Amino acid sequence: EVQLVESGGGLVQPGRSMKLSCAASGFTFSNYGMAWVRQAPTKGLEWVATISYDGSSTYYRDSVKGRFTISRDNAKSTLYLQMNSLRSEDTATYYCTRGAGGSWGQGVMVTVSS
Amino acid sequence: DIQMTQSPSSLSASLGDRVTITCRASQDIGNYLTWFQQKPGKSPRRMIYGATNLAAGVPSRFSGSRSGSDYSLTISSLESEDVADYHCLQSIQYPHTFGAGTKLELK
Repeated sequence: EVQLVESGGGLVQPGRSMKLSCAASGFTFSNYGMAWVRQAPTKGLEWVATISYDGSSTYYRDSVKGRFTISRDNAKSTLYLQMNSLRSEDTATYYCTRGAGGSWGQGVMVTVSS
Repeated sequence: DIQMTQSPSSLSASLGDRVTITCRASQDIGNYLTWFQQKPGKSPRRMIYGATNLAAGVPSRFSGSRSGSDYSLTISSLESEDVADYHCLQSIQYPHTFGAGTKLELK
């Protein structure tokens, strides 16, 4: 069974940093591209970033480019999202997904507020 | 960026009704269209991929279709467990973009 378990969320002040992790199991992690998708409270889904199966290619939405970094450790079957210079508009539940949404984690809440 | 225009934004239907939700793509996305179901407080669940393919474990009352740049999700006979938000996603080009979502409720 595919499992994706996010961690690392919480309350953070504007301008500070936070790193999310997503531990994967139940499939060969190194064979799949992975992505982060977020959902602000009462809003729709928003794609954030994608990384290729081997980490050689990354893609970001414009609003996070230069502030967020997606990365992976295939030896640990773990996906990461380093978020710097956080803004109030980054407040959302962040989901880790396999590929373009084939499987989803339970999500982790990130609140950016002073 | 490719815009995905999803309609309706909300829908009220009765048990047993046939329900259709549509996403229109602003550019050609081929069949790179996925439908998700999201129940309150839960993670999204993939229902349809490749525009027309039923994901594993999804009831056969769900189906996906394409007509030009319009992509539809149809529930042939609405059941109470189908009450949820539905989202479409194009994944042919970055940034990947979602529709705004459809809230499906029981009448």
